[in-house]
Amino acid sequence: SAVISQKPSRDICQRGTSLTIQCQVDSQVTMMFWYRQQPGQSLTLIATANQGSEATYESGFVIDKFPISRPNLTFSTLTVSNMSPEDSSIYLCSVEGGPGQGLETQYFGPGTRLLVL
Amino acid sequence: QQPVQSPQAVILREGEDAVINCSSSKALYSVHWYRQKHGEAPVFLMILLKGGEQKGHEKISASFNEKKQQSSLYLTASQLSYSGTYFCGTEITNQAGTALIFGKGTTLSVSS
Repeated sequence: SAVISQKPSRDICQRGTSLTIQCQVDSQVTMMFWYRQQPGQSLTLIATANQGSEATYESGFVIDKFPISRPNLTFSTLTVSNMSPEDSSIYLCSVEGGPGQGLETQYFGPGTRLLVL
Repeated sequence: QQPVQSPQAVILREGEDAVINCSSSKALYSVHWYRQKHGEAPVFLMILLKGGEQKGHEKISASFNEKKQQSSLYLTASQLSYSGTYFCGTEITNQAGTALIFGKGTTLSVSS
């Protein structure tokens, strides 16, 4: 499976500011995904990011709040804009991949733990 | 659209068995199972395809009943290392392609 890294691993931010999270993969992938996981909760899909096109956002998430860049096949960024305490969460990058035999699934990065004060 | 998992939590002693269920209100073509330990990223366990069954991890296996639109994860002779939260994921299709959405999770606690 792909090796995925995220920066920063954690951060504490003041409300009203913005934070950009980076996701780097060690191999080229077509599809990358961003998820949010609030404490003790499930994984919620924010958006799908393909290189060369605008990200596709899920219901409840908008580009103004969570702008995403995908400049190449190994890198993506997610910005959390104008943060409020409700944005405190773990943000996870995920990429498509396969365990072999023609199967496709997703693998997750280590996550970025964000606390907004 | 979010798959529904049951039970919410399971408490076991080492060596006991458990079953975690995942169901969907829409037709399923695949079900993806993950385990997440506290403070770590979710780890892929296995994928179940329509018409197939895959045994992929330790003493963990799963089944997929497409007629009932559900999958079950079987943990046999549980070990301490099985503790964590198990998520099932099902596919959605959006403008960008196919992505996974996840159930709320089942927390498994195994004690000695």
